[in-house]
Amino acid sequence: EVQLVESGGGLVQPGGSLRLSCAASGFTFSSYSMNWVRQAPGKGLEWVSYISSSSSTIYYADSVKGRFTISRDNAKNSLFLQMNSLRAEDTAVYYCARDRTITPQYYFDYWGQGTLVTVSS
Amino acid sequence: DIQMTQSPSTLSASVGDRVTITCRASQSISSWLAWYQQKPGKAPKLLIYKASGLESGVPSRFSGSGSGTEFTLTISSLQPDDFATYYCQQYNSYSVTFGQGTKVEIK
Repeated sequence: EVQLVESGGGLVQPGGSLRLSCAASGFTFSSYSMNWVRQAPGKGLEWVSYISSSSSTIYYADSVKGRFTISRDNAKNSLFLQMNSLRAEDTAVYYCARDRTITPQYYFDYWGQGTLVTVSS
Repeated sequence: DIQMTQSPSTLSASVGDRVTITCRASQSISSWLAWYQQKPGKAPKLLIYKASGLESGVPSRFSGSGSGTEFTLTISSLQPDDFATYYCQQYNSYSVTFGQGTKVEIK
């Protein structure tokens, strides 16, 4: 069974940093591209970042470019999101999500349960 | 970025009703469109990909259609488990964008 489990969320002050993790199991993690998608409280979905299976290709939404860094460790079946210079508008539930196919397609068949990041003083 | 606009924002319907949700793209995305269902406190669930492909395990009462800039998600006979929020998502490029969501409520 495919499982994605996020961790690392919490309360952080504006300007602070946080590192999110996503532990994957039940599939060959190293074969799939992965993504982070967020959802502000009561709002819609916003794609944040993409990383290819080998980490050779990385993309970011304009809203986080230069502040967030996506990475992965295929040996440990883990995905990460390093978030720096956090702003109030980064407050959201952050989901890790798997690309549906081994060939990158940029839509998502498995999602984690999400981890809440709250940026507030 | 490609903007995705869903209508309506909220829809009130009864069990057994046929329900249609529309999603419009600000430019042509061919058939690169997915639909998701999300229930409160839960992660989104993939329903439809490539505009009309039914994801494995999704009931056949869900169907998708359209191409270019206009797309629809149809639920042929609404069931109690279908009351949720639905999102479209374009994946014409890596910079994917979602619609604002359509909440399907009990009438």
